[in-house]
Amino acid sequence: AIQMTQSPSSLSASVGDRVTITCRASQAIGKDLGWYQQKPGKAPKLLINAASRLQSGVPSRFSGSGSGTDFTLTISSLQPEDFATYYCLQDYDYPWTFGQGTKVEIK
Amino acid sequence: EVQLLESGGGLVQPGESLRLSCAASGFTFSSYDMSWVRLAPGKGLEWVSGIRDSGDRTYYADSVKGRFTISRDNSRDTVFLQMSSLAAEDTALYYCARMVVIGVNTNLDYWGQGILVTVSS
Repeated sequence: AIQMTQSPSSLSASVGDRVTITCRASQAIGKDLGWYQQKPGKAPKLLINAASRLQSGVPSRFSGSGSGTDFTLTISSLQPEDFATYYCLQDYDYPWTFGQGTKVEIK
Repeated sequence: EVQLLESGGGLVQPGESLRLSCAASGFTFSSYDMSWVRLAPGKGLEWVSGIRDSGDRTYYADSVKGRFTISRDNSRDTVFLQMSSLAAEDTALYYCARMVVIGVNTNLDYWGQGILVTVSS
């Protein structure tokens, strides 16, 4: 199975900060990667698919980049509602695999 | 409105079996692949299993292969997860999710609220 290594596992940031989360695949996966946001007690929400395509309704402060093995999720200016856990998910091959998650906390 | 409603969770002893159900509404169920994803306490999300729209192909995480079986009944708009030989590490909140093709990629666009499975003696 393809392993997804996500970092950092957690970070503390302030409102307005720029935040970057990375995901590395154990083999090349093209651009077959999505980013999900999960808040406590809620189901995950798809933010970005195909590594860089923002889903409808997702604020433009979220962006994704990368291809092959290295991917990045960037939040350009962190807002109070962005404090959550973020996961990458590869859909290149079965079994699909998530990164370990990055918990974004308030500094 | 798309809705996914999981049921069938609960407390079971190690080695026992359990069947989860996910009833779908608000979309043409037979046109979509479906997945199960779980969130164990203190852990991250884990994709568990997927099934094609027609039910002819199924996929599993290595951690559940041979113990879990996914199936669907398109006449009832329901997907199932039969879990056997359950162990403590299977304790988790289990989500049902719809798989949608966006461009050339497949993603999970709608999720249920999850159903809790606890494996403990």
